[in-house]
Amino acid sequence: KAGVTQTPRYLIKTRGQQVTLSCSPISGHRSVSWYQQTPGQGLQFLFEYFSETQRNKGNFPGRFSGRQFSNSRSEMNVSTLELGDSALYLCASSLASGEETQYFGPGTRLLVL
Amino acid sequence: AQKVTQAQTEISVVEKEDVTLDCVYETRDTTYYLFWYKQPPSGELVFLIRRNSFDEQNEISGRYSWNFQKSTSSFNFTITASQVVDSAVYFCALSDPKAAGNKLTFGGGTRVLVKP
Repeated sequence: KAGVTQTPRYLIKTRGQQVTLSCSPISGHRSVSWYQQTPGQGLQFLFEYFSETQRNKGNFPGRFSGRQFSNSRSEMNVSTLELGDSALYLCASSLASGEETQYFGPGTRLLVL
Repeated sequence: AQKVTQAQTEISVVEKEDVTLDCVYETRDTTYYLFWYKQPPSGELVFLIRRNSFDEQNEISGRYSWNFQKSTSSFNFTITASQVVDSAVYFCALSDPKAAGNKLTFGGGTRVLVKP
């Protein structure tokens, strides 16, 4: 079974721009979660989507948003990029929502200049 | 609030030595799950093990073993006879049962370097 895939793998943007990252979960998985990883803050939960509905949201500004499609694929969007948004963005999928084991993708490394 | 602490930031060992990674967690919940993930240089987090708070039986899976002690809120992980391929950052994580859906709180990670 194919794992979680994320596109693009690497991205360079400038301050003020917006970016959209994509995540395809493992086949049959209906929950997708997003995490941000930075050297300073470590791994932090962004949000989770299940059945096209946001189930939970971490402590991030409204510039960070996401959505999930009927095929469980998910996108996250960051608007008005700031230098501090440079990070590895990891997507994880699980069968359902609620303390399920999450399986992670390879991540998208975003650099904001 | 939930918190996971991995006090060891980096461990360096020679191949075939055993490595034990410490993890201490804080939670007010009585039911929760604990996880260990491995992050090799490629960046992907690889799931290793999961334990629920009601199961304190310690197990061994291949070269991996874990010691879960609810009384001390610790969930330590051991790699036996380490190999160079074990070099990675290891993360301990705690589920949040009060949060709707899936949400993990991660520790800061322990970098393991296995030298040949």
